[in-house]
Parts: sequence; structure tokens; C-alpha cells
Amino acid sequence: ETGVTQSPTHLIKTRGQQVTLRCSSQSGHNTVSWYQQALGQGPQFIFQYYREEENGRGNFPPRFSGLQFPNYSSELNVNALELDDSALYLCASTPISLRGFEQETQYFGPGTRLLVL
Amino acid sequence: TQLLEQSPQFLSIQEGENLTVYCNSSSVFSSLQWYRQEPGEGPVLLVTVVTGGEVKKLKRLTFQFGDARKDSSLHITAAQPGDTGLYLCAGERGYGQNFVFGPGTRLSVLP
Repeated sequence: ETGVTQSPTHLIKTRGQQVTLRCSSQSGHNTVSWYQQALGQGPQFIFQYYREEENGRGNFPPRFSGLQFPNYSSELNVNALELDDSALYLCASTPISLRGFEQETQYFGPGTRLLVL
Repeated sequence: TQLLEQSPQFLSIQEGENLTVYCNSSSVFSSLQWYRQEPGEGPVLLVTVVTGGEVKKLKRLTFQFGDARKDSSLHITAAQPGDTGLYLCAGERGYGQNFVFGPGTRLSVLP
């Protein structure tokens, strides 16, 4: 167990709705990354948050947005849900202390499985 | 198009057999990681390789990073049913932990 928790574990929404997914990072981890993993594929990088600011973004539209809070927990918000948004959403936290100067391990949570009908 | 390709896509073998899975790209990565993911769980890091030509061993698992830092392989000796899972490689494009994942190799080890 990595210490990274995500909620909810499962979620069913309908097309056009909005969803908020939550991630509590491991203690001492100040960087959180979000990934989308469609069925049968590897995780796709959505974006990363460091010290409450977005720090890098993958090829996802603006309706995917996020927040990081002072306690380093994070939210992923998706507006105007589409059927193709159905996937496992993973967050990963990293204990970067000297950013860019050393390798750090990403610790993944168990994910939130989202189904859009 | 996938920045990282993995082969084979699926692999089913008997307990005790050896196997190798591959991770290939046309891009150079500053580091490459291998993960194993089991159903209903997030990926768990197995190893990070950083230097071209680097070989790392983790019990029955041997990881190699290509000299040009574009490809990698994972060799498992005497596979066991507990090795069953989705094996993912992920390349880091520079600093900042922006990892690109491959599609994975789904391994099934039959007792």
C-alpha cells in the first residue's frame, strides 16, 4: 500500500455531467500527477501539480482541470463528460524535495473508475 | 501513435518458464521505469533505469536500458503465478516527472 488514497472508488455519470475526483497524497509528497487509463491501455498523463500550481499538462482539453490544496491533496474536475472519458483515473504523488535534481518515485493510488453512460 | 511501444501485447506461459518483454521508442528518455499493475490497483514501481546500457536485477527480474536510452527489456526467470499482471514501461521526458507510458504487456503465468 502506497499511502495514496483516491475517492470515490467507482462512479457512474451521464454524458454532459461534471465530475470531481479526489486524491490524498502520501505524507511529505508535494507533487501530484493525474493520469487517465482507458481499458487495455497504459496511463496517459493529464497534468501535474506542484505547490498548488499546474506544472505540466498532457494532451487533454481544457474541460479537464485540477486543483492542489495547501495540504497537497488534489482534485481532478472534468466538465461536459463524454463517453470516451470512461476510464480509470489514477493519481500519483512524488516526494520531490530538490526538483529536477534527483530521481524520485511516483506512488500511485488505486484509482477511480469512471463510467460515462 | 504511441510514443512507447511494448511487445508482446499478451503473453501466457507455464510456471517455471523464462520470458522477455520489450519496451521500444524512437525518443530518448532521461530515465525509464517499469511498473506492474494488478486488476483494481494502481501501478507499482519495480525499477528505474537511468544510464544507457544499465542492467538492474531484482530477484528473478532483470531490467536493461538500451545504450541509446530509447528502449528497455524486462526478463523474468522461472516465472511464477504471482508474476501475473500488466507490465508497464514509462519514459521520463526530462525533469519534472512527466512520464509517458507504454500500452503494457499483459502476462499470465499458469500453474
